[in-house]
Amino acid sequence: GENVEQHPSTLSVQEGDSAVIKCTYSDSASNYFPWYKQELGKGPQLIIDIRSNVGEKKDQRIAVTLNKTAKHFSLHITETQPEDSAVYFCAASKEGGTSYGKLTFGQGTILTVHP
Amino acid sequence: EAGVAQSPRYKIIEKRQSVAFWCNPISGHATLYWYQQILGQGPKLLIQFQNNGVVDDSQLPKDRFSAERLKGVDSTLKIQPAKLEDSAVYLCASSLTPSSGRAQEQFFGPGTRLTVL
Repeated sequence: GENVEQHPSTLSVQEGDSAVIKCTYSDSASNYFPWYKQELGKGPQLIIDIRSNVGEKKDQRIAVTLNKTAKHFSLHITETQPEDSAVYFCAASKEGGTSYGKLTFGQGTILTVHP
Repeated sequence: EAGVAQSPRYKIIEKRQSVAFWCNPISGHATLYWYQQILGQGPKLLIQFQNNGVVDDSQLPKDRFSAERLKGVDSTLKIQPAKLEDSAVYLCASSLTPSSGRAQEQFFGPGTRLTVL
């Protein structure tokens, strides 16, 4: 089955700096890669996703890049703010067929943004 | 729009006891998921329903875990008997039916934190 590795496990930055979180996946058939943000006591919330027919996607201060050949994808947050502090998870899945909804998550990255 | 509702929020039980969790998905979401999130790890899918039918339960420990989704709306997840290693947060999520094979955003509830002593 799919295996997703996520690094780093913790990341501490100063407000205004950029933060980068990286993930690798094992199944070359995976083609959908969402990123989730989880705040304390809450369930994960989708912040951005990318499909394998796209190399990069941006949404304001957040961007995701995908390298299908190397089987890795990254989350980039620019101009970080204290409210960005949370646990971030990457995930991978295969669209189509009966496995369309099955997400395999990485281990998570605790991001702390210091004012 | 109301989100995914789960209850209880917290539960403490002794090992070998039984426990049940309840989930009410977002109205109109045909797909429902139960995840187990052990402290310090990402969520792991236990079971996925499409309406009231099971799509994937390959990672559900069927000797002790069971789940049902009667009438294709609410769902319950049960553990009997519980083990120490079942201590985790149990997350319920729901989504619209995938369209043209494309995945739909999964909306998560706040979870139930289970502690097995």
